[in-house]
Amino acid sequence: GAVVSQHPSWVICKSGTSVKIECRSLDFQATTMFWYRQFPKQSLMLMATSNEGSKATYEQGVEKDKFLINHASLTLSTLTVTSAHPEDSSFYICSARVPATSGNTIYFGEGSWLTVV
Amino acid sequence: DQQVKQNSPSLSVQEGRISILNCDYTNSMFDYFLWYKKYPAEGPTFLISISSIKDKNEDGRFTVFLNKSAKHLSLHIVPSQPGDSAVYFCAATWAGGYQKVTFGTGTKLQVIP
Repeated sequence: GAVVSQHPSWVICKSGTSVKIECRSLDFQATTMFWYRQFPKQSLMLMATSNEGSKATYEQGVEKDKFLINHASLTLSTLTVTSAHPEDSSFYICSARVPATSGNTIYFGEGSWLTVV
Repeated sequence: DQQVKQNSPSLSVQEGRISILNCDYTNSMFDYFLWYKKYPAEGPTFLISISSIKDKNEDGRFTVFLNKSAKHLSLHIVPSQPGDSAVYFCAATWAGGYQKVTFGTGTKLQVIP
């Protein structure tokens, strides 16, 4: 079964509005989660590293004011796309690493498809 | 700078035969490598991983080989099945990278019945 869960799987929003995507680690605590974005027919692009209890670390070129990340607890990180525009339409994926005592593997959520109209 | 490269964007293999997917990396700091399978509009599904202290790891039909001197790894699928058709990403990480995973560009595998 999935060890990292994302919600919602699909979301459509109007241009100018904000939308929140949740990423939850199931049955383990994740002090660090990661958010990726995938453009059609391209690889996954790391957007930011989400750190529990502190500010997220953004990759170069990613607008931190547009993509707000909150890691409120050891099992939940949220990505909020603010003032969304059609070019923000994409597939967003989160990941978390299982603790070393449980295998140290990195698992991904199911992904969230955002369409901005 | 693409630190993890998958030079073959696509691969077609007959059902029952071996599929070999290749991956090259440039950063010698990488010490943990992973392979993921991905269907459209879904998150990547973990397949198999290998630590840099090993040169081979096997799990069922999937085997990953690591050649550190050549900075090369490969995923072997034997025997290939039509359900294996998907995009395969190799990924690399290292302890000093704060767990960030760097992905290759992906190889689309098609297994022909």
